Amino acid sequence: DAGITQSPRYKITETGRQVTLMCHQTWSHSYMFWYRQDLGHGLRLIYYSAAADITDKGEVPDGYVVSRSKTENFPLTLESATRSQTSVYFCASSRAGVSKNIQYFGAGTRLSVL
Amino acid sequence: DQQVKQNSPSLSVQEGRISILNCDYTNSMFDYFLWYKKYPAEGPTFLISISSIKDKNEDGRFTVFLNKSAKHLSLHIVPSQPGDSAVYFCAASTRMYSGGGADGLTFGKGTHLIIQP
Repeated sequence: DAGITQSPRYKITETGRQVTLMCHQTWSHSYMFWYRQDLGHGLRLIYYSAAADITDKGEVPDGYVVSRSKTENFPLTLESATRSQTSVYFCASSRAGVSKNIQYFGAGTRLSVL
Repeated sequence: DQQVKQNSPSLSVQEGRISILNCDYTNSMFDYFLWYKKYPAEGPTFLISISSIKDKNEDGRFTVFLNKSAKHLSLHIVPSQPGDSAVYFCAASTRMYSGGGADGLTFGKGTHLIIQP
């Protein structure tokens, strides 16, 4: 049972570069989410998706792009990375129905933008 | 403005005793609350949840209490064990009873629980 996997686990990039963080889940969950965790802020929602080809902005979407062509994948792209995007990024998923609010998280990607 | 607040950044408890983690919220539209546990270099793990129509939910050593009038919830861990040492996040949603699909959770900043032997 692979669950939800994120890759890479660690990434160092330079300002202005494009970088894509990958998220893959094997549960066929309808919903997928991207959060970032920064010191002093807890986890903040970047984008989420209710199904393939349906995405919506969260609390801090600026500078990020998402897509969801397949139910199991939800990549997050930083089109032109900035130092303020240095953070730990978590992907999560949840099933539809009564349990829709219980989200299951990946192990995270630690991104450093130099 | 922070809608979910965990005012204690850290808490130290002796092994075998009760750990009580607190969480306050300001948004009266929240209707579902969750606690997550997080170890270093891992993702948050779902622990226990409670809906706004209940005031208590229990799962083994973990109990969550909800006081809607005070907009306050707490997580009790009894007895506390060394493996409970982790960061605990309180989270909330507005979508349990309001209809529609899921949207993101609103998280507190977390409380670092340290269980001392």
